[in-house]
Amino acid sequence: GIQVEQSPPDLILQEGANSTLRCNFSDSVNNLQWFHQNPWGQLINLFYIPSGTKQNGRLSATTVATERYSLLYISSSQTTDSGVYFCAVGESGYSTLTFGKGTMLLVSP
Amino acid sequence: DSGVTQTPKHLITATGQRVTLRCSPRSGDLSVYWYQQSLDQGLQFLIQYYNGEERAKGNILERFSAQQFPDLHSELNLSSLELGDSALYFCASSVRSTADTQYFGPGTRLTVL
Repeated sequence: GIQVEQSPPDLILQEGANSTLRCNFSDSVNNLQWFHQNPWGQLINLFYIPSGTKQNGRLSATTVATERYSLLYISSSQTTDSGVYFCAVGESGYSTLTFGKGTMLLVSP
Repeated sequence: DSGVTQTPKHLITATGQRVTLRCSPRSGDLSVYWYQQSLDQGLQFLIQYYNGEERAKGNILERFSAQQFPDLHSELNLSSLELGDSALYFCASSVRSTADTQYFGPGTRLTVL
């Protein structure tokens, strides 16, 4: 099956800093989503982005499908951004999501 | 709030027991997915239903089964529970059966003692 690798595994930031999270995948995809899992365990949809670029407030994401990677940008980070960020991909021809292991982000005040 | 509801939020039970987890998808969504999140396995797909029919199967144990009812809600049945089944179980839903945004419910945290 498809492999999903996220980097870095852990990230510690000062409030106000910017960061870039990366997701590499091993095959062509028809679905790519970024999620934020908050400390209460809830998985929150950030982006559905199988290709192209999207922005939502301080967050933006870019997927370059031909080179099999996606990037999540967090600008002016806040303590509420802490949690685990997951990239999940749907392999072409399949409906289900394969998750990476996540990036654990801690934003300190 | 994603619009996907799951009950119960927490479940504590003993080894060997059987439990049922319930999921109601977002209004208008026909596809329901079940995922399991554990410390050692991470987040992994279990099973998908679309409009009442099984559409895809992942790493679901034979002790586990699911179904989707005519009103589109779904239930995941876990039997002969083992300590290793302790995990967070998520339900997700989408409109289409493929290549569509999946919206996740809040999860059911299962603890097997």
